[in-house]
Amino acid sequence: NAGVTQTPKFRILKIGQSMTLQCTQDMNHNYMYWYRQDPGMGLKLIYYSVGAGITDKGEVPNGYNVSRSTTEDFPLRLELAAPSQTSVYFCASSYGIGELFFGEGSRLTVL
Amino acid sequence: LAKTTQPISMDSYEGQEVNITCSHNNIATNDYITWYQQFPSQGPRFIIQGYKTKVTNEVASLFIPADRKSSTLSLPRVSLSDTAVYYCLVSRDGNQFYFGTGTSLTVIP
Repeated sequence: NAGVTQTPKFRILKIGQSMTLQCTQDMNHNYMYWYRQDPGMGLKLIYYSVGAGITDKGEVPNGYNVSRSTTEDFPLRLELAAPSQTSVYFCASSYGIGELFFGEGSRLTVL
Repeated sequence: LAKTTQPISMDSYEGQEVNITCSHNNIATNDYITWYQQFPSQGPRFIIQGYKTKVTNEVASLFIPADRKSSTLSLPRVSLSDTAVYYCLVSRDGNQFYFGTGTSLTVIP
């Protein structure tokens, strides 16, 4: 099993550009999450999904959008990138109140 | 969800037992307590989860008093490879998992 796969691993964007971070899981988990982690800080929840077609905002949703058309995929869209969005982004999935399974992270720099 | 409070950092010598306490005063009846470990440049990794009393697995123990307003992660005989950030989460029904600032544990030879 691949678990949770994130792409790309690294990306540099210019201010105002847009991009999509991809996340896919092969564990048939209903719950999926996007977090961001700034240097030396804890993880902040951006968006989450409890199943295909259902998404909801977390702590820091501004500047991001998500969709969940399938159980496996949960892409995160950044519109009009800003330097404040420079961070490491983690995608995670879960079958419920049990453990979160994380991807390896996507390091984004906005210049 | 209940906010969690942990010490920012801790140091321990190799071979000692380490106890990290987390405060979650507003925990609700349906909330579970989960601990994660994170190494630099990696995603967090599940350590242990509990609801009340004591839970033990092959790597750690989790102690939760009757009022559930706090919990203590116990790592027996730590080694250098246990140097990491440890997060306490209060989770409910798989909907939302909020990470606090975590405790940075440094194991000293």
